[in-house]
Amino acid sequence: DTGVSQNPRHKITKRGQNVTFRCDPISEHNRLYWYRQTLGQGPEFLTYFQNEAQLEKSRLLSDRFSAERPKGSFSTLEIQRTEQGDSAMYLCASSAEDRDQPQHFGDGTRLSIL
Amino acid sequence: KQEVTQIPAALSVPEGENLVLNCSFTDSAIYNLQWFRQDPGKGLTSLLLIQSSQREQTSGRLNASLDKSSGRSTLYIAASQPGDSATYLCAALNDYKLSFGAGTTVTVRA
Repeated sequence: DTGVSQNPRHKITKRGQNVTFRCDPISEHNRLYWYRQTLGQGPEFLTYFQNEAQLEKSRLLSDRFSAERPKGSFSTLEIQRTEQGDSAMYLCASSAEDRDQPQHFGDGTRLSIL
Repeated sequence: KQEVTQIPAALSVPEGENLVLNCSFTDSAIYNLQWFRQDPGKGLTSLLLIQSSQREQTSGRLNASLDKSSGRSTLYIAASQPGDSATYLCAALNDYKLSFGAGTTVTVRA
């Protein structure tokens, strides 16, 4: 069990550019979640996958955001035409299918928009 | 929509004191409640998970209680140490998503 891995750890980009983040979940976990955390706040749910199927998307996930999980393994979160308000920590978590099991979080990707 | 509140927002105590962190939630139809620790610039470390049918859960110096009917959970940390300094977040699980409080930032003074 190597834990949830996220890359890159930090991303600095100019407004209007596209960015992509990657998450590698714990290998035996079939559920994968994305959350966003702004300074001084708790994380907010964005979306989640069971295997390769995206089962729920928050209304926080505007049409500039897209998430994928091909083959039910790693996941990517892409933000197109970044805006200042996208600056945040993007956290990925994974869990077993049993809801009695905890969600395990990665160290996140911190996005800064110049 | 689940709303989670944590009080106090910040807490500073001398080493050795017991810590009491409070969490309240509005929708009692939760599957479980998790407590996490977050160090500056880092992700979340799961501390304790209490199932909706349980009243409390213990791990070492940590004890968490849950009163689902009143929408409250409390995290107790016994004999605090400077290494306990961090932000502590509670999160309620409804469906498959966690709803988080804003956290309590704890400073333990040596």
